[in-house]
Amino acid sequence: GQQLNQSPQSMFIQEGEDVSMNCTSSSIFNTWLWYKQDPGEGPVLLIALYKAGELTSNGRLTAQFGITRKDSFLNISASIPSDVGIYFCAGPSSNTGKLIFGQGTTLQVKP
Amino acid sequence: DADVTQTPRNRITKTGKRIMLECSQTKGHDRMYWYRQDPGLGLRLIYYSFDVKDINKGEISDGYSVSRQAQAKFSLSLESAIPNQTALYFCATQAGGFNEQFFGPGTRLTVL
Repeated sequence: GQQLNQSPQSMFIQEGEDVSMNCTSSSIFNTWLWYKQDPGEGPVLLIALYKAGELTSNGRLTAQFGITRKDSFLNISASIPSDVGIYFCAGPSSNTGKLIFGQGTTLQVKP
Repeated sequence: DADVTQTPRNRITKTGKRIMLECSQTKGHDRMYWYRQDPGLGLRLIYYSFDVKDINKGEISDGYSVSRQAQAKFSLSLESAIPNQTALYFCATQAGGFNEQFFGPGTRLTVL
């Protein structure tokens, strides 16, 4: 079945640094979603992408829908301690329409 | 007020006990989902419902059952809890025709 692979699995960075993470698949997706999960809370939708090549920002976050429709990238600029959490990518299965989730990238920020 | 609420937020129970987790939403969405999260395994789908009369099994439904009491309410039951059902459980909602899902705050369940 369709799978989403996120990398890196985890990151430990210094406050103020920029962060980049990605999500790839061997299958085409028509929508890419990026979520953030704070410790002890549910995932919160950050950005939704609907078109190949689309670049969308939400504050310090920028996400891109890859041209091949098989990947997506999330960048965080000037990281701050509250950026700590797990970042998930997700996309709808072409067979069932249900969301498929990546395994997540865990981000830790050192003040 | 939160759009998607889950009760309880934390629960400790013993092996063999029946337990129910509840989810309510005020978003007016037709579709509701139950997921389980374990460290390193991401989110796995247990059951989902596209409307009040529709219930579907997800990838890990064994040992679980659900009830869609109303458009706004979707509950998950563990008929006889076992220790490997210790996990974080999330409810999510989705509007028909859209891909975005919106999650509740989660229930941390521990089965001793």
